[in-house]
Amino acid sequence: AQSVTQPDIHITVSEGASLELRCNYSYGATPYLFWYVQSPGQGLQLLLKYFSGDTLVQGIKGFEAEFKRSQSSFNLRKPSVHWSDAAEYFCAVGPPTGTASKLTFGTGTRLQVTL
Amino acid sequence: GAVVSQHPSWVICKSGTSVKIECRSLDFQATTMFWYRQFPKQSLMLMATSNEGSKATYEQGVEKDKFLINHASLTLSTLTVTSAHPEDSSFYICSARDSGRADTQYFGPGTRLTVL
Repeated sequence: AQSVTQPDIHITVSEGASLELRCNYSYGATPYLFWYVQSPGQGLQLLLKYFSGDTLVQGIKGFEAEFKRSQSSFNLRKPSVHWSDAAEYFCAVGPPTGTASKLTFGTGTRLQVTL
Repeated sequence: GAVVSQHPSWVICKSGTSVKIECRSLDFQATTMFWYRQFPKQSLMLMATSNEGSKATYEQGVEKDKFLINHASLTLSTLTVTSAHPEDSSFYICSARDSGRADTQYFGPGTRLTVL
């Protein structure tokens, strides 16, 4: 069965510092990969996704993620964090069909940003 | 674009009553919608996949008679928690997949259910 691991439950970074959130997955093939952000009172917002092609994916709000097949990882990065980035971040995987169905989510990483 | 709404945003009910939660895609048509449940400080767990005009597909361990799903139109799916009990208290989130491009799920803001 597929699974997603986000090893860091809580991360605190200073505003302006760089950020990397880790995501490892277990799947029979290369799955469809997503990063979502959840802010209080708001729905999950898609940051970026990867299905095939260039393994470095650019998303919204200055985020990027790199797919590494050999490490079964899809880590999220941002070079300079803003206070408004404080939220819960979820990595998710879906079937390798290119359609967003039956997503499996990681347990999330809560990001705190200090000023 | 791609906005999904949920109503109500929060609800408190007595044990034994039924609660209906609506999920609407506001600016696109959604042949497929999904219902998730999120426990405090935990991940989202897929409960069921809802397809317009057909029966929902439930994940293993989800009671279909407890969680009734209806997807009667391309913009509306409803989840009814029947005979709710305190253990059903949770955060319920829906998502919708655009019929025109099936590569992304768009999520609603969620509904907080508290059963007393």
